Amino acid sequence: AQSVTQPDIHITVSEGASLELRCNYSYGATPYLFWYVQSPGQGLQLLLKYFSGDTLVQGIKGFEAEFKRSQSSFNLRKPSVHWSDAAEYFCAVGVVGGNEKLTFGTGTRLTIIP
Amino acid sequence: NAGVTQTPKFQVLKTGQSMTLQCAQDMNHEYMSWYRQDPGMGLRLIHYSVGAGITDQGEVPNGYNVSRSTTEDFPLRLLSAAPSQTSVYFCASRPGQEETQYFGPGTRLLVL
Repeated sequence: AQSVTQPDIHITVSEGASLELRCNYSYGATPYLFWYVQSPGQGLQLLLKYFSGDTLVQGIKGFEAEFKRSQSSFNLRKPSVHWSDAAEYFCAVGVVGGNEKLTFGTGTRLTIIP
Repeated sequence: NAGVTQTPKFQVLKTGQSMTLQCAQDMNHEYMSWYRQDPGMGLRLIHYSVGAGITDQGEVPNGYNVSRSTTEDFPLRLLSAAPSQTSVYFCASRPGQEETQYFGPGTRLLVL
């Protein structure tokens, strides 16, 4: 069975600083990988996804993520965060051809300080 | 398109009561799912459906029932609510040819 680890429960960064959120997955084959963002009291919004091809994927709101097969990682990055980026971020892994077996990490809460 | 809608937004139940959480989507998506979100545990799959008339269990199905009589609707039923079912519930849908799931705004449930 697949699994996802987000080792950082809470991260605080200054506005304008760069950001990297870590995600490691465990799965025996090539997975589908996703990053979702959840603002307080809201549902989940897709930031970006990786299925195949270029290992550096661009998403909305200036986010990007890089798939590294050798490290089983799919870290999320942003060069300069804005106060509106404060939210909870979830990494998820799906199984190719595995219908609804989408497994989520436990999330990383991002706080932005002025 | 309204996307994925969920009702109610918030509900308080007493132990043993029953209720149905509603989920609807207007995107003609084949796949629909229910997740629960608990602090420190991320989202866990409860039940899912790959089309009208077809449902299957996810990771944490106990205490919940589902049915899918139409493509649009996928209600989640709690037959006898327990405090352990206090959670935030999210419904999601996706088209058959795409892996990206689209989430509803969630239902916050408190069982006393």
